[in-house]
Amino acid sequence: DGGITQSPKYLFRKEGQNVTLSCEQNLNHDAMYWYRQDPGQGLRLIYYSQIVNDFQKGDIAEGYSVSREKKESFPLTVTSAQKNPTAFYLCASSNPGTSGANVLTFGAGSRLTVL
Amino acid sequence: SQQGEEDPQALSIQEGENATMNCSYKTSINNLQWYRQNSGRGLVHLILIRSNEREKHSGRLRVTLDTSKKSSSLLITASRAADTASYFCATDALIQGAQKLVFGQGTRLTINP
Repeated sequence: DGGITQSPKYLFRKEGQNVTLSCEQNLNHDAMYWYRQDPGQGLRLIYYSQIVNDFQKGDIAEGYSVSREKKESFPLTVTSAQKNPTAFYLCASSNPGTSGANVLTFGAGSRLTVL
Repeated sequence: SQQGEEDPQALSIQEGENATMNCSYKTSINNLQWYRQNSGRGLVHLILIRSNEREKHSGRLRVTLDTSKKSSSLLITASRAADTASYFCATDALIQGAQKLVFGQGTRLTINP
C-alpha cells in the first residue's frame, strides 16, 4: 500500500538535545512538507520541499532543519535552538502538477515531548 | 493572522442530526479543501472545491463556496458517532509570491450516541 510513514510515533527529549523525525513516502510525490500542530490548534508550516535537493522555509522554520537527498525521504531535525519543541509533528506529501490542485497526503504524526 | 478561520471552534450534536461548519478566508483562492483529523492521527483529505464551483457533494458531505463572501461551509448529513473528529479547511492561494496551502484552526465535532 502506498503511503507516508513517520517515525517514531512518540519521542521524548531532554532539553538541549537535537532529535530527528523520519518521514518516508512511497507515493512518488514530488513535494513534501512538515507541519507543527499544538493542542487545539491548526497546522503551521515548518519547511517544505518541491523537489529533491531543494527546500524552503515555512512560517515557523526557526529552530528546525531539514534535508531532501532522496525523493522518498524528508527528515526533520528539531534542534536545541527551538525554544518550545513539545508538539505534534505532521509530515505530508503531494503531487501538485498532476491535477492542478495541491492535495496533501499525511502521515500519522510524531508526538515530541521535551522533559 | 490565519488565512482560514473556522466557526464554530467546537460543535456537539446528537447522532442523526446534521453538522455544519464554516470557514472564512482573506485572499483570493484557487481552491478550498476540507480535511478530517481523528484524535492523535494525521489529516485525511475529504473534498476539494475549486474557485469556479459553488457546491460539491461526496456521499454525506456537502461543501459550498461563496467567493464573494470569501467563505465556505461543510455540511455532514445524518451524522454518525464515527464522524467525531476535527475538521479543517485549507485554502490554496498565492501568498507573498508563493503557492501555499494554509490551514484553519479547525472545528472539533462531537457526535453523541
